[in-house]
Amino acid sequence: DVKVTQSSRYLVKRTGEKVFLECVQDMDHENMFWYRQDPGLGLRLIYFSYDVKMKEKGDIPEGYSVSREKKERFSLILESASTNQTSMYLCASSQGSLGNQPQHFGDGTRLSIL
Amino acid sequence: SQQGEEDPQALSIQEGENATMNCSYKTSINNLQWYRQNSGRGLVHLILIRSNEREKHSGRLRVTLDTSKKSSSLLITASRAADTASYFCATDSIGNTDKLIFGTGTRLQVFP
Repeated sequence: DVKVTQSSRYLVKRTGEKVFLECVQDMDHENMFWYRQDPGLGLRLIYFSYDVKMKEKGDIPEGYSVSREKKERFSLILESASTNQTSMYLCASSQGSLGNQPQHFGDGTRLSIL
Repeated sequence: SQQGEEDPQALSIQEGENATMNCSYKTSINNLQWYRQNSGRGLVHLILIRSNEREKHSGRLRVTLDTSKKSSSLLITASRAADTASYFCATDSIGNTDKLIFGTGTRLQVFP
C-alpha cells in the first residue's frame, strides 16, 4: 500500500515565523500535491510537482512556496506565517497522468498560527 | 474555482439504509473520482469513473455518471456505522488534466 507521511499531525506557530511542512511518499510517485482544507471551502490546491525540482502553482499559491529536491519528498513553506493560514494541510501523491490516477493522501497537518 | 459541488451537504441515516450523494460539475471532464475522509484523517480514494462510462460498482458502492447533465451520484447500499465520514467528488477537466478539483463534500452520519 502507498504510504504518504506528513511530519506533524498538529503544529502551532506564531505570526511571522517561517514554517516548514514535510511530506514523504514511499511509492516512487512522480506527482505530489499540497492542499489546504477549510470548512465550507473543500480542498484547494496550493502547489503541485510533476518531478524533482519541478513545481507548478495551484489555485492559491500566495504566501507559500515549495521544494522538491528528492522524488519522495515535497515540502511546503510558509515564508511568513499569518493567521489566515491557520488550516488543515494535506499532502498527496499520484502515479502517471494526473486526471485518471487516484491520489493518495497523508493524514494531514492541522496548523494553527497565533 | 469550484468544479464539483456535492448535494446534500449533510445526510443522516440509520444502519442498513442506503445513502445517495450527488455531485454536479461545470466543465467537460475526462474522469471523475470519489473520495472518503474520516474525521481528522486524510482522503481515501474510493472509485474512478471515466467520461465514457455510465455506471461502476465496487462492493457496496455504486457510482453513476451522466455527462449530459454534468452530474454523478454515489450510492452506498446497506450502510454501516463505519461508513460515517465525509465524501468528496473530484474532477479533472478536458484541456486541463494537470489537477483535480474537489467539491466541498457531503457529511454522512450513519446511526447504529
